[in-house]
Amino acid sequence: AQSVTQLGSHVSVSEGALVLLRCNYSSSVPPYLFWYVQYPNQGLQLLLKYTTGATLVKGINGFEAEFKKSETSFHLTKPSAHMSDAAEYFCAVLGGAPLVFGKGTRLSVIA
Amino acid sequence: SAVISQKPSRDICQRGTSLTIQCQVDSQVTMMFWYRQQPGQSLTLIATANQGSEATYESGFVIDKFPISRPNLTFSTLTVSNMSPEDSSIYLCSVEDLLSGGYTFGSGTRLTVV
Repeated sequence: AQSVTQLGSHVSVSEGALVLLRCNYSSSVPPYLFWYVQYPNQGLQLLLKYTTGATLVKGINGFEAEFKKSETSFHLTKPSAHMSDAAEYFCAVLGGAPLVFGKGTRLSVIA
Repeated sequence: SAVISQKPSRDICQRGTSLTIQCQVDSQVTMMFWYRQQPGQSLTLIATANQGSEATYESGFVIDKFPISRPNLTFSTLTVSNMSPEDSSIYLCSVEDLLSGGYTFGSGTRLTVV
């Protein structure tokens, strides 16, 4: 069975500062990993995904994430936060079954 | 990537009634997934719907409460039956997007039961 742990239910950063959202997973098979973003009153939008190959993946809106097998992590980063990045972010793992989501991290960006 | 049209986008319902949520996909897909997102919570898988067979429900979800139809490869419905305030949630459908390698989600149905 697979599971996802997102450290920090709420992260607050200043505009222009580094964004780091943490995600650790467990999976009995090589996982596919995803980050989704949910803006208020909207559905989920795929930010980026890791399946195989390059461990550093780039997504939309300047976000990227690195798959580290030894650390079972898939942390999401963005060098410079923008006000429009304020949203809920979900990490998800696919390990032979439908997606399993973490509890989410709410990102606030302070002007 | 696949495009999903989900409706209604929101509804306010009386307890004891039922609501049917529809999802239409612009391409044929084998499996469709239904999720629930309770207020302030993450997404929980309700069931997986395959065309031509009964849906497979996750632990804690039963067919009598959440009947699902899957009449063809582009459409599915989820009914929330005999609603109570505890059913107030966002309900989302999802499909595997083979082109993008990810999962695409509908825009969600925000349900409030009063």
